[in-house]
Parts: sequence; structure tokens; C-alpha cells
Amino acid sequence: EAGVTQFPSHSVIEKGQTVTLRCDPISGHDNLYWYRRVMGKEIKFLLHFVKESKQDESGMPNNRFLAERTGGTYSTLKVQPAELEDSGVYFCASSQDGWLAGDTDTQYFGPGTRLTVL
Amino acid sequence: EDKVVQSPLSLVVHEGDTVTLNCSYEVTNFRSLLWYKQEKKAPTFLFMLTSSGIEKKSGRLSSILDKKELFSILNITATQTGDSAVYLCAVDGASGSRLTFGEGTQLTVNP
Repeated sequence: EAGVTQFPSHSVIEKGQTVTLRCDPISGHDNLYWYRRVMGKEIKFLLHFVKESKQDESGMPNNRFLAERTGGTYSTLKVQPAELEDSGVYFCASSQDGWLAGDTDTQYFGPGTRLTVL
Repeated sequence: EDKVVQSPLSLVVHEGDTVTLNCSYEVTNFRSLLWYKQEKKAPTFLFMLTSSGIEKKSGRLSSILDKKELFSILNITATQTGDSAVYLCAVDGASGSRLTFGEGTQLTVNP
């Protein structure tokens, strides 16, 4: 079974440009999460999709970040315009049942996209 | 705000040593604590702990949770160089299954 995949693995852009990150969850997983790790800090939650709906987007830093999950399959995270402080590793995770099951369901992580904003 | 603290942040040992990694937490509505191992890219799942005092084991790795004192430990016995990685502790303590992570422990096992 294929795991969570993310594309690209690394992106280098200049301040003010736009970047779109993609995540393909494990097939059949309704729950999709985005997290971010900036230099020297812990991994932090950004948002949570249940199928195509945003369940929790309280971790999104500002309106320069836009996440979508059309059709409830893969998800994209767009940063526009990118700023220097957006540099970090963006992780995607997916789980089968999530909070709907009334219990924690294991979140499986992708390899991350390393974003560097110059 | 939920908080997870891991210690030590860095640890260097020799092959064959036993190590204990610590994770303490302060979260609302605790549901579970998870351990992940991150070698190069994707954090890979190790354990999920929901009940106090019940040890989870997988080979040379084991973990236990204390919900009264709000901490967990991850033990690795007879360490090998392949155990070198960052070990992440995360807690599900809020609605919607969002995970709160600690900074991680960087473990280096030298031959």
C-alpha cells in the first residue's frame, strides 16, 4: 500500500512568489492534515480536512496560505505571496477515521516538502 | 495552549546501550500520546498510548504512559546504529485530532 506522498520534495523561491505544495494521502483516508516545522521549532498543526471539508483551520498562520482538497482526494497548500518566515518543512498526514470515530486514529506522515524562501 | 516537552533534546550513545527518552505534556481533553521515529524524511509511527500503566512493545522498543503525572517514556534496549533518528512525541489533546508535538530527541548511536 502506498504511503502519503508529497510533491515537490524541495522548493526554492524568492520572496513574493507563489508556491503550491501537493499532498496525496493514503487511499481511502478521509482525514488529511497539514503541519509545518520551521527551523529550530517543533512541528505545528496548520489544518485538518475531513474529505473535502475544512474541519479545523485554526493553525493557518495568515491569509497568505490557502489549502484546498477538491473531491476529497489530494490536497494543495498554496502560499501567496511567500515571505521569508514561511521557510520550513511542510508535512502532510492522513488518517482513516480520525475524530469521527470518537477516538484518535493513527496519522501517517508524508516525507515533507522543504520550502526555502530567499 | 497545549504543550509537549521532550528531554533530552540530544543524546549520543554507543551500540548496545539502553536509552530512555522522556515526554511530558500539558493538554486539555487528552485522548492519546503518540511516538514517531524520523530518520530522513517522513516521521514513521511507533506507538499510540491511551491508557496509563500499559506497556506497548515492539522488538527492542517499548513505551509506557502515566496519565496522573502527565508523561511518557520510550525505551530502546541494545541500541543499534539504525536506531539513530529524531524521536518525536505528540499528543492528541484537542477536538479534531490535531497533534501537538514536542521538539524531538535527536538520538545518535555510534558503533
